[in-house]
Amino acid sequence: ETGVTQTPRHLVMGMTNKKSLKCEQHLGHNAMYWYKQSAKKPLELMFVYSLEERVENNSVPSRFSPECPNSSHLFLHLHTLQPEDSALYLCASSQDIRGSDEQYFGPGTRLTVT
Amino acid sequence: AQTVTQSQPEMSVQEAETVTLSCTYDTSENNYYLFWYKQPPSRQMILVIRQEAYKQQNATENRFSVNFQKAAKSFSLKISDSQLGDTAMYFCAFKSPDSNYQLIWGAGTKLIIKP
Repeated sequence: ETGVTQTPRHLVMGMTNKKSLKCEQHLGHNAMYWYKQSAKKPLELMFVYSLEERVENNSVPSRFSPECPNSSHLFLHLHTLQPEDSALYLCASSQDIRGSDEQYFGPGTRLTVT
Repeated sequence: AQTVTQSQPEMSVQEAETVTLSCTYDTSENNYYLFWYKQPPSRQMILVIRQEAYKQQNATENRFSVNFQKAAKSFSLKISDSQLGDTAMYFCAFKSPDSNYQLIWGAGTKLIIKP
């Protein structure tokens, strides 16, 4: 596969469940990102990793926990979510976090919290 | 704080027409980057065009061009000879050293190209 892949594509979970979202990039990039996309709202940056080190944590609730085991993989661990966490979760990567580097996006995971 | 505003939630035009999507931003920075991304229905977000603030010349990519007005903090996207495949959500985004190189996004404009 090429580009940025995300699994699963759809996820329905109860508020007491624990699940993980996976992202993989095949582009040799050094930076990876998690975004939350809700209808009619700007994309919200959740986490940024550069060379496997977390760079930014934008006041995200602790029920979201990222993990970056290597430069190609990024996980988002979910536990005790709330219904308002239902959204499309996008993963992206770029060569570097600085400059005008393009971000390449995955197809997203559509999360529904019941 | 930097903000990006897209004042048109939805637009629709006939195929082959030209359409302009507006974007304004707020920053005190002098060096920054601006982007237009496209998200087709049920498909991945992709970059349409980018502009470095230090470049006076407007960026162009085939049928896509921008009108970058630095003093007015405006960055509109013009799509010429629109095609059905241009139907998508279009997002304007901004990035600068002051935003810690995070992309700051607008809320998007839904563009519908009608046959």
